Amino acid sequence: EAGVAQSPRYKIIEKRQSVAFWCNPISGHATLYWYQQILGQGPKLLIQFQNNGVVDDSQLPKDRFSAERLKGVDSTLKIQPAKLEDSAVYLCASTPKPREDTQYFGPGTRLTVL
Amino acid sequence: AQKITQTQPGMFVQEKEAVTLDCTYDTSDQSYGLFWYKQPSSGEMIFLIYQGSYDEQNATEGRYSLNFQKARKSANLVISASQLGDSAMYFCAMRPRSGYSTLTFGKGTMLLVSP
Repeated sequence: EAGVAQSPRYKIIEKRQSVAFWCNPISGHATLYWYQQILGQGPKLLIQFQNNGVVDDSQLPKDRFSAERLKGVDSTLKIQPAKLEDSAVYLCASTPKPREDTQYFGPGTRLTVL
Repeated sequence: AQKITQTQPGMFVQEKEAVTLDCTYDTSDQSYGLFWYKQPSSGEMIFLIYQGSYDEQNATEGRYSLNFQKARKSANLVISASQLGDSAMYFCAMRPRSGYSTLTFGKGTMLLVSP
């Protein structure tokens, strides 16, 4: 069974530029999560989708971050415009159902904002 | 709100020895799950072990076991017979089992295994 796929693996941009990350969850997994992991910290949830609907986006900085999961499968996370403090690893995870305990993570996208 | 505390920024262990990584948590929920993840330098979070708050037995998965002490709100990870490939960051996390609650992570412990 293929795992969670993410691309790109690395991205370097200048501040005020835009960037987008893509995630394809494990096949059949209805729930998808985006996390931000700043160096030296544990991951922090940005947004949670159940199929193509948003369940929790309370910690998403909505003035610059947006995310969508239009067909309930893959998802895109966008930052526009990027700030220096957005430098982090962006992790995508999925579970078959919202109350399924174990989340399975992708390899992450490491973003550097200069 | 949930909180996870990992007090050991780094741990060193020799190959083939056992090591315990500490984790304490705080929650007002009665039903919750506790997790340990491993994050090697490649960046992927790898699920290791799970313990439910109502599970009577401590969880074990191969060389990993979880020392769960509910009254003390601790969920320490024990790795037996350490291997060089165990060198990585280790994160403790928890999730209430109600609603759409998601994982809350600790800050992690870096484990280095020496030959």
